[in-house]
Amino acid sequence: DTGVSQNPRHKITKRGQNVTFRCDPISEHNRLYWYRQTLGQGPEFLTYFQNEAQLEKSRLLSDRFSAERPKGSFSTLEIQRTEQGDSAMYLCASTPGGGVETQYFGPGTRLLVL
Amino acid sequence: GENVEQHPSTLSVQEGDSAVIKCTYSDSASNYFPWYKQELGKRPQLIIDIRSNVGEKKDQRIAVTLNKTAKHFSLHITETQPEDSAVYFCAASKGGSYIPTFGRGTSLIVHP
Repeated sequence: DTGVSQNPRHKITKRGQNVTFRCDPISEHNRLYWYRQTLGQGPEFLTYFQNEAQLEKSRLLSDRFSAERPKGSFSTLEIQRTEQGDSAMYLCASTPGGGVETQYFGPGTRLLVL
Repeated sequence: GENVEQHPSTLSVQEGDSAVIKCTYSDSASNYFPWYKQELGKRPQLIIDIRSNVGEKKDQRIAVTLNKTAKHFSLHITETQPEDSAVYFCAASKGGSYIPTFGRGTSLIVHP
């Protein structure tokens, strides 16, 4: 499968625990985006990378959230000290850049914080 | 920042009817307007997009229209089929990062 992949697909954790999600974009896509989606809402932008550089972060991204893309390929999103309000679907998307703006989404990681 | 409003939130039609979903945006600098379809339990997928230098674009049964002056754009689906049933999201973005702001989605139900 050459599409965007995300792992794990589901995560159940207890409040206060840390979780980390991984996104593998389409090969050679230099832009990678993270979104959060809750029921009945569209995806909400969290952060975006061009290659390994994190270029923009949403105000939604509290200091408990951190994202990395160390080699400009896969990316990780970590949530520290999870709260029940963090329960959501976390989507990753990549675009090739260079004027092609179509977002190719991954299947998402569904997080449930108990 | 950009604000995208989408209506209706739910749309129920009979197979063969047309469906229209409307979105408005607030940032006059936005210049790229994609539409995504998300089936239940699946990832969003682009179905059509339009740039601000074009007023209308068609792809088989799907069309998108853009009114820059009024800052609104619409998705038109003709001859709807049950497999068109899904949640549809509009989005608006502008050059540079092209970070899209999504609408809240429209749940389209096509009854056989």
